[in-house]
Amino acid sequence: DGGITQSPKYLFRKEGQNVTLSCEQNLNHDAMYWYRQDPGQGLRLIYYSQIVNDFQKGDIAEGYSVSREKKESFPLTVTSAQKNPTAFYLCASSRVIAGSSGANVLTFGAGSRLTVL
Amino acid sequence: DAKTTQPPSMDCAEGRAANLPCNHSTISGNEYVYWYRQIHSQGPQYIIHGLKNNETNEMASLIITEDRKSSTLILPHATLRDTAVYYCIVRVDTNAGKSTFGDGTTLTVKP
Repeated sequence: DGGITQSPKYLFRKEGQNVTLSCEQNLNHDAMYWYRQDPGQGLRLIYYSQIVNDFQKGDIAEGYSVSREKKESFPLTVTSAQKNPTAFYLCASSRVIAGSSGANVLTFGAGSRLTVL
Repeated sequence: DAKTTQPPSMDCAEGRAANLPCNHSTISGNEYVYWYRQIHSQGPQYIIHGLKNNETNEMASLIITEDRKSSTLILPHATLRDTAVYYCIVRVDTNAGKSTFGDGTTLTVKP
C-alpha cells in the first residue's frame, strides 16, 4: 500500500542533542512538508520541499534543518538550537486530484512524538 | 489564504447527522474549501474539498453557500469512530502544504 512512513514513532532526547526524524513516501508525490503540533493546537509549517534538492522555510523553521536528496525522502533534524522541541511532528506529501482543476490534497504520516528530557 | 472560523467543539449522537460549520467570509474566487480530520495522536486525514458546488463522497458531504462565505461538512450517520478534530481550510491550489491548520472543531460522537 502506498503511503508515508515516519520513524521513530516515539523519541526521547536529552537537552543539547540533535535528533533526526525520518519521513519516506512511496506515493510518487513531488512535494513534501514537515509540521509541528503542540497539545491542543493546530499544525504549524516548519519546512517544505516541492522538488528534489530544493526546500523552503515555513513559519517556524528556526532550530530545524532538512534535506531532500531523493524524491521519496525528507528527513527533519531537530537541532540543539530549537528551544522547545517537545512536540508531535507530522510529515506530509501532496498530490493533485485528477479532474479537479488542480485541487491539491495532503497525505499525512502517522507522526513522530519527540520528548526532551 | 483566507482565514476560517470554526466552533471549538460540538457533540453529536451516534447515528445522527453531524453538521460542522465553517465561516470563510474573506474567501477569494480561486480558493478551494478543504476539510481534514485528525483522530487523536494520528496524522490528519483528507475528507473532501470543493470550489463552488456541493460535493459528496463516501465519507461526507460538503455544502458551500452561494456566496461562498461559509460551508458545512456533513457526516450523515456519525459513529463513535468519527470523534476527531475537524479542520476547515481555504486556500488556492498551488501549494497544498502551506495550508493553515487552525485549532479546528473537536467533534465528540456520543452513544
